[in-house]
Amino acid sequence: GDSVTQMEGPVTLSEEAFLTINCTYTATGYPSLFWYVQYPGEGLQLLLKATKADDKGSNKGFEATYRKETTSFHLEKGSVQVSDSAVYFCALRTGSARQLTFGSGTQLTVLP
Amino acid sequence: EAQVTQNPRYLITVTGKKLTVTCSQNMNHEYMSWYRQDPGLGLRQIYYSMNVEVTDKGDVPEGYKVSRKEKRNFPLILESPSPNQTSLYFCASFSGRAIDTQYFGPGTRLTVL
Repeated sequence: GDSVTQMEGPVTLSEEAFLTINCTYTATGYPSLFWYVQYPGEGLQLLLKATKADDKGSNKGFEATYRKETTSFHLEKGSVQVSDSAVYFCALRTGSARQLTFGSGTQLTVLP
Repeated sequence: EAQVTQNPRYLITVTGKKLTVTCSQNMNHEYMSWYRQDPGLGLRQIYYSMNVEVTDKGDVPEGYKVSRKEKRNFPLILESPSPNQTSLYFCASFSGRAIDTQYFGPGTRLTVL
């Protein structure tokens, strides 16, 4: 079945540091890929998405590129802020499926 | 404002005492889902609904029931809760015309003693 593997957390960075959170997947067919963010005490929010190979999703300074050859969708940000502290989930959806398959989540803490 | 609401946000109960967690959305979405979130496991789907009176099992349906009598509401029912159902629960909804944009509720933290 489909699966998503994220780098283990927690990740702690200083403000303005560069962020990478690794995500790889296995899936039948060609999935759509997503990053969701969960701020403390809140539900998940869609951060960015990509629906086909080589697409780059971007939002709020975050970027991720759909790499079919390496089955990866790594999340990056050039300069993190304290307000980026949250849990980040990589997810996928294949074909006509109506459910998302999530990774285990990565806790990010950004220190001032 | 487009939103998914859940109630209660926090609940502590005892084994075997039936409970219902409500979920409501104001976006006229056809699809609604319930997920549970556990440490190290991410979110796993419990049940989903494609429209009124149409529901189906997700990956971890054991011990849960759902109903969809109205389009906006999708309650999650635990008829005899057990400690292994202690978890963080999320309701989600989306439109069939925009299946890649799901909206999540704020979560319900359930503890079963």
